[in-house]
Amino acid sequence: VTQTPKFQVLKTGQSMTLQCAQDMNHEYMSWYRQDPGLGLRQIYYSMNVEVTDKGDVPEGYKVSRKEKRNFPLILESPSPNQTSLYFCASSYQGTAYEQYFGPGTRLTVT
Amino acid sequence: QKEVEQNSGPLSVPEGAIASLNCTYSDRGSQSFFWYRQYSGKSPELIMSIYSNGDKEDGRFTAQLNKASQYVSLLIRDSQPSDSATYLCAVDAGNMLTFGGGTRLMVKP
Repeated sequence: VTQTPKFQVLKTGQSMTLQCAQDMNHEYMSWYRQDPGLGLRQIYYSMNVEVTDKGDVPEGYKVSRKEKRNFPLILESPSPNQTSLYFCASSYQGTAYEQYFGPGTRLTVT
Repeated sequence: QKEVEQNSGPLSVPEGAIASLNCTYSDRGSQSFFWYRQYSGKSPELIMSIYSNGDKEDGRFTAQLNKASQYVSLLIRDSQPSDSATYLCAVDAGNMLTFGGGTRLMVKP
């Protein structure tokens, strides 16, 4: 699983897309954010192409899954509370299988 | 809100000892349970998965599941300094994965 960029600093309201790609032909992909004291929380997930659903903390984010390998996370109008470490993950088929995590994107919104 | 609880630690054990990590979860319908290891600044990696009650062993690691008590544990035998990391318990919550806050393990030489 690859993620770009590794680091990003944005100003409030400056839109940004975090990229995630996998080459394992996995059906399931998801996005998490990790914050000190709050752990890993799921933002959005996708069971397959064109099938996406909200996780526990979807506010302020959008996703699309137009092709199997890519699952971008869109921040249309970022705010400082979206400063976080973001991980993308994929698995063969859903959450009963091992999740493979990308290396993460550290995002700072000022 | 489905919850997964872990003691944040740090749990400090001497090299060669057994480290015992615990996790409780709230959703009685959960069927799949995972332990991930995360080194500082890195992404989580799977250590063990367990799906049925009882013990599952893989090398120095043993996962234990008790669905009646809604309890999952991870034992690390012969702990090594390289095992020092944060261990995350994750529980399948129907198309979503809920993570505990993690337990930081420190293995002292």
